[in-house]
Amino acid sequence: QKEVEQNSGPLSVPEGAIASLNCTYSDRGSQSFFWYRQYSGKSPELIMFIYSNGDKEDGRFTAQLNKASQYVSLLIRDSQPSDSATYLCAVNTGGFKTIFGAGTRLFVKA
Amino acid sequence: GAVVSQHPSWVICKSGTSVKIECRSLDFQATTMFWYRQFPKQSLMLMATSNEGSKATYEQGVEKDKFLINHASLTLSTLTVTSAHPEDSSFYICSALRTSGGAGETQYFGPGTRLLVL
Repeated sequence: QKEVEQNSGPLSVPEGAIASLNCTYSDRGSQSFFWYRQYSGKSPELIMFIYSNGDKEDGRFTAQLNKASQYVSLLIRDSQPSDSATYLCAVNTGGFKTIFGAGTRLFVKA
Repeated sequence: GAVVSQHPSWVICKSGTSVKIECRSLDFQATTMFWYRQFPKQSLMLMATSNEGSKATYEQGVEKDKFLINHASLTLSTLTVTSAHPEDSSFYICSALRTSGGAGETQYFGPGTRLLVL
């Protein structure tokens, strides 16, 4: 069964620190990888996607992909209390099939 | 950006009634949409995949006769919860699949519909 695994957390970091969120996946044929942010009581919001090995930066966010090791991570620099949310890793395993992880809860302490 | 709307944003109904939820992709066409359900403090649960012009594909354990899905156009999918009961109370979220040259197939979520069945 194709799986996407995330540590449920909560991950607690002080304001201004770097938050590191990790995700592993089981299907080696996966092509596209996504990070969504979900605030409590709200629907998921796309933050970034990545499909090539290496790093992809967008503002304070950096997505890292290592297909050989089958993991994808999200770094949040200069974490803010407003970044406190659940972060969902999603993996496209082919066609329109996307598998979501259960999410990691991040708490940024002011 | 890709915008997906849902209507209504919340609904309260009596047990036994049916509730229809609409999901629209506002600035792109979506052949495929998805319907999720999420209970408090739990993960997203995929209910079904909605395909324009054809029958929806339901996940195991989801009753197709209870959760009717219609995807009549490239920008609209509807979910009807028939004969709703209190245990159907949940947060229902749709997403629409957009194809782009960057990431290929990307899901964009609607804001969700909160259903409370009394």
